[in-house]
Amino acid sequence: SQQGEEDPQALSIQEGENATMNCSYKTSINNLQWYRQNSGRGLVHLILIRSNEREKHSGRLRVTLDTSKKSSSLLITASRAADTASYFCATDVGGSEKLVFGKGTKLTVNP
Amino acid sequence: DTAVSQTPKYLVTQMGNDKSIKCEQNLGHDTMYWYKQDSKKFLKIMFSYNNKELIINETVPNRFSPKSPDKAHLNLHINSLELGDSAVYFCASSQGGSTGELFFGEGSRLTVL
Repeated sequence: SQQGEEDPQALSIQEGENATMNCSYKTSINNLQWYRQNSGRGLVHLILIRSNEREKHSGRLRVTLDTSKKSSSLLITASRAADTASYFCATDVGGSEKLVFGKGTKLTVNP
Repeated sequence: DTAVSQTPKYLVTQMGNDKSIKCEQNLGHDTMYWYKQDSKKFLKIMFSYNNKELIINETVPNRFSPKSPDKAHLNLHINSLELGDSAVYFCASSQGGSTGELFFGEGSRLTVL
């Protein structure tokens, strides 16, 4: 069954703007991960945040996690055309070995 | 060197045929996965092996049979292909299961005619 739901499904912004994507999930987790998928390519891991963390940064990426609301957000600052991709959140279901992905947010950054 | 490599990248075949997709990882990881991504980009786990042992087997038709000859390889064989099997199949590996990041291959696009 699907665990994560990203919101919005699609987002179109101008270069230099910030992009925020949200993820909601249903069950308890040990960690939440974000991945990027360029068109026609495999997924690439961006960042992992553990259930006892509230915020994490990596370069232009900022991830927050609110376990009380079962939600996470991914912020990409100062976006570039190269950030155009689909972004997926993934969670381990109840601490199992299974990593379940959401449906993704398709981000388009216009030059 | 490619970390997780899958072959073939594209596969076009007729309904009813049997086909295989191969995956190899050179990362020394213990766990390998098969995911299916449908036309709406929804990514669903199919199988997972840890050190050649099957640990996850989702509700997948038994026409799909994974095989792991060693921990660096995980192949997927599909019998009696159906139109609905058309999708992109991704192999992935990780060290420590879902507690760590997954490394994905580039995908194998299967088209069943």
